[in-house]
Amino acid sequence: EPEVTQTPSHQVTQMGQEVILRCVPISNHLYFYWYRQILGQKVEFLVSFYNNEISEKSEIFDDQFSVERPDGSNFTLKIRSTKLEDSAMYFCASSGDRGVYSNQPQHFGDGTRLSIL
Amino acid sequence: AQRVTQPEKLLSVFKGAPVELKCNYSYSGSPELFWYVQYSRQRLQLLLRHISRESIKGFTADLNKGETSFHLKKPFAQEEDSAMYYCAPKYTGTASKLTFGTGTRLQVML
Repeated sequence: EPEVTQTPSHQVTQMGQEVILRCVPISNHLYFYWYRQILGQKVEFLVSFYNNEISEKSEIFDDQFSVERPDGSNFTLKIRSTKLEDSAMYFCASSGDRGVYSNQPQHFGDGTRLSIL
Repeated sequence: AQRVTQPEKLLSVFKGAPVELKCNYSYSGSPELFWYVQYSRQRLQLLLRHISRESIKGFTADLNKGETSFHLKKPFAQEEDSAMYYCAPKYTGTASKLTFGTGTRLQVML
């Protein structure tokens, strides 16, 4: 069964540094998402991406965050200047092999644990 | 605001006992409801969705629009059911995000 893959599994970064988290969505999917989960808290939506543009973003997704689909397979999340509070598990997900507003379920990757020192 | 409530952080049951994991959601349009499960050290996995009306691993969930609930049930708990369970509505028209509850940890004891 095809899977969403994320790299690295664990990223340790100094505060103020830029970090890029990488995801390879399922190949025929059209919608891509990032979520995060701070330790002990619930999974929170960050951003969704469709047709090469952001379709929705949360309050968390401020100017420090950006997403990109640089080629036909990767989907990246960049944090420009990391803060201590960015430490969390970041999950990539993909869905939707057909139709706008498709209600196809989202498939999640294993996550990247981001630790800011 | 869209809101999901899973009132129990931890639910402990004995093997063979019935399980009910509660979920209430705020009404906004006609959301589609999902349950996701996360086994220890594994990714979030779709367990079931209300429109499919199917039973996965013995679990079922009935959407009650009057009570805005989508409780997850299983008649006989198994040890391998121990995991974190997340209720997650997806609201119509957003084409996008799942709104996760805080999750319930199910612990099945022998």
